[in-house]
Parts: sequence; structure tokens; C-alpha cells
Amino acid sequence: AAGVIQSPRHLIKEKRETATLKCYPIPRHDTVYWYQQGPGQDPQFLISFYEKMQSDKGSIPDRFSAQQFSDYHSELNMSSLELGDSALYFCASSPRAGSSYNEQFFGPGTRLTVL
Amino acid sequence: AQSVSQHNHHVILSEAASLELGCNYSYGGTVNLFWYVQYPGQHLQLLLKYFSGDPLVKGIKGFEAEFIKSKFSFNLRKPSVQWSDTAEYFCAVNAHSGGYQKVTFGTGTKLQVIP
Repeated sequence: AAGVIQSPRHLIKEKRETATLKCYPIPRHDTVYWYQQGPGQDPQFLISFYEKMQSDKGSIPDRFSAQQFSDYHSELNMSSLELGDSALYFCASSPRAGSSYNEQFFGPGTRLTVL
Repeated sequence: AQSVSQHNHHVILSEAASLELGCNYSYGGTVNLFWYVQYPGQHLQLLLKYFSGDPLVKGIKGFEAEFIKSKFSFNLRKPSVQWSDTAEYFCAVNAHSGGYQKVTFGTGTKLQVIP
């Protein structure tokens, strides 16, 4: 079965650089969520989108922005990277109807290392 | 705002021992409850979920959880653990709020099973 795809899987950047993470949801899933998981931490909700509109916002820094496109994929843009941004960034998708309603399916994550 | 607390941060068990991981949440409205597992170096995978109905939920790999509404709890159990259950376990709550949803995770419990 198709799963959530994230790219790249690994990314190394230097301080003050920018990074763009991509998330491709499961087909027919119209809601996308972004989470940040620091080393030894639990996943922290950043932001979510439903039908290309921001639906909820969590602890996303102002240096980060995200959007969802017409094909439902989403991109997380991170600017002025700091050492503390080093983390695993998960994307999840869910459908708005059906037996899996409200269940989030997670991608493999992008491991971002800021040097 | 919803919150989730997991009582045990690190649990060490011998193979064949029984497991119970505690999870309590705080939210006054309707919730969906989840347990996710994260094996070393891998992404989050759903173990089981509770939406409604029978409060005793059976998941994959012999795990089950019981939703006790009066105690705001959703404890995870397994009668006999295996070495391959070594992983981190996250309890999560998804509160219904205005049609939008986000998942709040607990801080996770690291389970180490000794052969």
C-alpha cells in the first residue's frame, strides 16, 4: 500500500542557511501535518493543512513556513537555521472520511542536521 | 488544551514478562486515542486506536489497550513481551475541535526487553 513519502530523508545544512522539506501524502488523503522530534524528545506538532488551507498551528517558529499545494503535497520551508533545529521532521497525512478518519499515517521523516 | 502524560519514561523487562504502560490525558470533550510505536531509527507506526465502542481495543503484535473514561486513561498492555518489542511507545490524543484535528503526543516510554 502507498505510504507517506518525505524527501529528502537526510539533510545537512549550516547555520543561517535555508532548507525545504517535502511531504507527499497517501493518495486521497487531504490533510497533512508536520511534526518536529528533537533527540530523545516526543514529536511536537508544528502545523497542519486541510484542502490547501492552514487548519491548525502549533509550536512552529516564525522562521518556518509551510504550504499545501493543489496536488496535496506539502512543503516546510525553514530559514535562518539554528543548531537547535536539528531534529527529525515527520509528516503525517489523514483522510477526512472513511474508516481511517482521524488516523494519522506517518512518513519516515527527514533528519535535518544543522552544523 | 489537550495534554497527555505517560508515567514511565524507561521500562526494562525480561522476555515473557507482562507489560503495562500508563497513559492519562486531559481534555473534556470527545477524543480519539492512539498508541504508536517507534522502533530504533524508524518512524512512528500505529499500534492501536480507540474511537468509540468497546473500550478494550486490540492492536497489532498482541498489544491491547483499555479506555477508562472516568480515569481519563488509555493504558497499553501486552501479556508476554518479546525482545523485538524493544522500542519507544507514544500515547497520543486527537481532540475534536471545530472539525480540525491535531495529535498531541505523550513524552514516550522507552521499553527495553532483555532476552
